[in-house]
Amino acid sequence: KQEVTQIPAALSVPEGENLVLNCSFTDSAIYNLQWFRQDPGKGLTSLLLIQSSQREQTSGRLNASLDKSSGRSTLYIAASQPGDSATYLCAVLTGGGNKLTFGTGTQLKVEL
Amino acid sequence: SAVISQKPSRDICQRGTSLTIQCQVDSQVTMMFWYRQQPGQSLTLIATANQGSEATYESGFVIDKFPISRPNLTFSTLTVSNMSPEDSSIYLCSVPRTGSANYGYTFGSGTRLTVV
Repeated sequence: KQEVTQIPAALSVPEGENLVLNCSFTDSAIYNLQWFRQDPGKGLTSLLLIQSSQREQTSGRLNASLDKSSGRSTLYIAASQPGDSATYLCAVLTGGGNKLTFGTGTQLKVEL
Repeated sequence: SAVISQKPSRDICQRGTSLTIQCQVDSQVTMMFWYRQQPGQSLTLIATANQGSEATYESGFVIDKFPISRPNLTFSTLTVSNMSPEDSSIYLCSVPRTGSANYGYTFGSGTRLTVV
């Protein structure tokens, strides 16, 4: 059974800092990995998708990497802003290609 | 990519009653997925809704408690039946972004349910 863990569970940083969120998964037989952002009480916004054959994806200030063999992904956020405050979730696609397994989430707070 | 309209966005319900949540997609999709997010927790898959057949439920979820309808390729409903305070959660629907899971998933805006 796939298990996905995110570290740290919560993070508070001053504005402008670069930061790294970590995601690890137990079964390396994944199709892809997706990073999401969730604002309090809201739905999920997709940030980045990395296919199993890729090593990284970039979008603006965000960069996600994937090391499938070691079961790890990182989300790098450059020059953090208060608007980045949210919960960040990673999810891996396994089990016949239809089932998403979500991580435990990292709650980020960027302070002025 | 597909866009989902989910409603209601939130509701406060009395225990013992039922609530039906709707998701409308702007394109035809084969599979739709329903998730539950309990307070402070991550998302857990409830069931996969297939058009023209019964939904497939994950371990721990049963049809009597969470009946699902899928009348066509753009619409689905999830009902939370005989609610108790333990059902207070955010419920979300999801579909593949472009018809294939290879390109990731998109989610509805969620229904925040409080049972009192």
